[in-house]
Amino acid sequence: SQKIEQNSEALNIQEGKTATLTCNYTNYSPAYLQWYRQDPGRGPVFLLLIRENEKEKRKERLKVTFDTTLKQSLFHITASQPADSATYLCALDAPGNTGKLIFGQGTTLQVKP
Amino acid sequence: GAGVSQSPRYKVAKRGQDVALRCDPISGHVSLFWYQQALGQGPEFLTYFQNEAQLDKSGLPSDRFFAERPEGSVSTLKIQRTQQEDSAVYLCASCEGEPYNEQFFGPGTRLTVL
Repeated sequence: SQKIEQNSEALNIQEGKTATLTCNYTNYSPAYLQWYRQDPGRGPVFLLLIRENEKEKRKERLKVTFDTTLKQSLFHITASQPADSATYLCALDAPGNTGKLIFGQGTTLQVKP
Repeated sequence: GAGVSQSPRYKVAKRGQDVALRCDPISGHVSLFWYQQALGQGPEFLTYFQNEAQLDKSGLPSDRFFAERPEGSVSTLKIQRTQQEDSAVYLCASCEGEPYNEQFFGPGTRLTVL
């Protein structure tokens, strides 16, 4: 079955720096990969989706890359702000084209002023 | 507010009690998903509906878990004879359907079984 690995340790960075989060997966290559943000006590909020035929996607200060050879996605937040502090979840679509997602365990980002 | 809503937000049950968790998806969303999230972990898939049809229930942990969406809108997740290991946050998400894009999540119901 598909296994997704994200950095289990919290990532602490200084305000203004670029945060880079990693998502590695095993087994099959997904048709698409999504990144979500989750704040304590809240449900995940969608950030970006990247499809298997795309190498890179950008949205404002966010950038996602997708390397199907390495089976890895990188999520970058440039010019990070304390408000970016949250848990970031990587999710892959499951086989069968149902929209069902398989999530990683998430990486907690702490941006210090 | 046109987002996904869930109720109750918090539920405390004694072991052995039955509970019912409600999800109101975004109007018009065809697909509805239930996930279970343990502390410090990512959400884990429980079950999936397309309109009123439950197309995948492979993630339900046991036959004590039952979900329905009788009219293709509101969904209820029922847990019978709750156990301590059922304590978790239960998340509901909806999306428009094919092509599959973002899922819209509700705030979750935190279930604590004593």
